[in-house]
Amino acid sequence: SQWGEENLQALSIQEGEDVTMNCSYKTYTTVVQWYRQKSGKGPAQLILIRSNEREKRSGRLRATLDTSSQSSSLSITGTLATDTAVYFCATNYAQGLTFGLGTRVSVFP
Amino acid sequence: ETAVFQTPNYHVTQVGNEVSFNCKQTLGHDTMYWYKQDSKKLLKIMFSYNNKQLIVNETVPRRFSPQSSDKAHLNLRIKSVEPEDSAVYLCASSYQPSGNTLYFGEGSRLIVV
Repeated sequence: SQWGEENLQALSIQEGEDVTMNCSYKTYTTVVQWYRQKSGKGPAQLILIRSNEREKRSGRLRATLDTSSQSSSLSITGTLATDTAVYFCATNYAQGLTFGLGTRVSVFP
Repeated sequence: ETAVFQTPNYHVTQVGNEVSFNCKQTLGHDTMYWYKQDSKKLLKIMFSYNNKQLIVNETVPRRFSPQSSDKAHLNLRIKSVEPEDSAVYLCASSYQPSGNTLYFGEGSRLIVV
């Protein structure tokens, strides 16, 4: 498997709190992408971070990449109930992407 | 706004029947994919199709076959479904086959009884 076993998580937090989720991967990749999947929908990309970047921000999102430890994190600041979703990290595959196990984040008002 | 369209959204069928799922993308992408998502939300790539080149994940059973009429369409046919085929099938597309953003449809849920 491309993925470390620690990827599977479920987090429950209150609105307004910050949350960080992690993933680790086993083989080289040129990019790490983070996707969010809301109930009944397909995954949608949130942020893409390249192997020559250590950090990338987009609004309330912050992604980090450590190529030496082959790990990435996604942080969401000031969570909203609408952030409730499953979050995936993904890396290059022969064609397309291979996805991690996902983190289920539930944000309660 | 969704630009990858899948039909049907939901299908219930009996073991041994044939099922087809349709996918169309209006993004002008040249690569399309099918992913299978199980009940634990695990996403596994099944096929990718780029410039008439098909790449098949070796773990996909032979009863699954993709069908493409042009680069905007990639359908999935399952011949003789089995209970373990119950899942959500997600179609996606991208500009190029590797390292680029995937745009997903909303999925087609298959229930095999």
